[in-house]
Amino acid sequence: ELKVEQNPLFLSMQEGKNYTIYCNYSTTSDRLYWYRQDPGKSLESLFVLLSNGAVKQEGRLMASLDTKARLSTLHITAAVHDLSATYFCAVVPSGDKIIFGKGTRLHILP
Amino acid sequence: GAGVSQSPSNKVTEKGKDVELRCDPISGHTALYWYRQRLGQGLEFLIYFQGNSAPDKSGLPSDRFSAERTGESVSTLTIQRTQQEDSAVYLCASSLSGEILIQGYNEQFFGPGTRLTVL
Repeated sequence: ELKVEQNPLFLSMQEGKNYTIYCNYSTTSDRLYWYRQDPGKSLESLFVLLSNGAVKQEGRLMASLDTKARLSTLHITAAVHDLSATYFCAVVPSGDKIIFGKGTRLHILP
Repeated sequence: GAGVSQSPSNKVTEKGKDVELRCDPISGHTALYWYRQRLGQGLEFLIYFQGNSAPDKSGLPSDRFSAERTGESVSTLTIQRTQQEDSAVYLCASSLSGEILIQGYNEQFFGPGTRLTVL
């Protein structure tokens, strides 16, 4: 059974701190997505990672992919309150539909 | 350009009633997905349309759920005889193509969702 597991599921952190969200998946995947969801809003695409070793950065967020370990990380640098949201990773097993993790709810305290 | 739109944004209904949710994908997007998101939970895949191919209905939770799409345009998700456990946000997404390509990727664009409350 395909599993996409995110860790942690809930995270409360102080502004200015660094932290990493992990996404493990149990089968090979053509690509990996990271999405952001603000409360009461829909999902917004953040990153698409297409190959082993891929790293993408946008502002204080950086995503990386290790396809051999079936692991992606989303690193937050010097967190600010505006980054408070729920972050989802999603994978696409070969020839199949996109599968989402349960999401990591991030709350950044001022 | 216009994004994915959904209507209604909120729907409150009584248990046992039928509801119909609508999704307007981005023009030119051949693939369309429906998801369900319960409060505080992740996304649960429901159904996927790709062009004129037979839809992938493998995520529909029961025969009370059905969906239609006319060509590459509007889709409607129908829930018959609603139950309280159907209460959730129903999200629609579209992408240029649902086919898994060796090169490139098919980013999904999400609509704002329909919040369904079954009393």
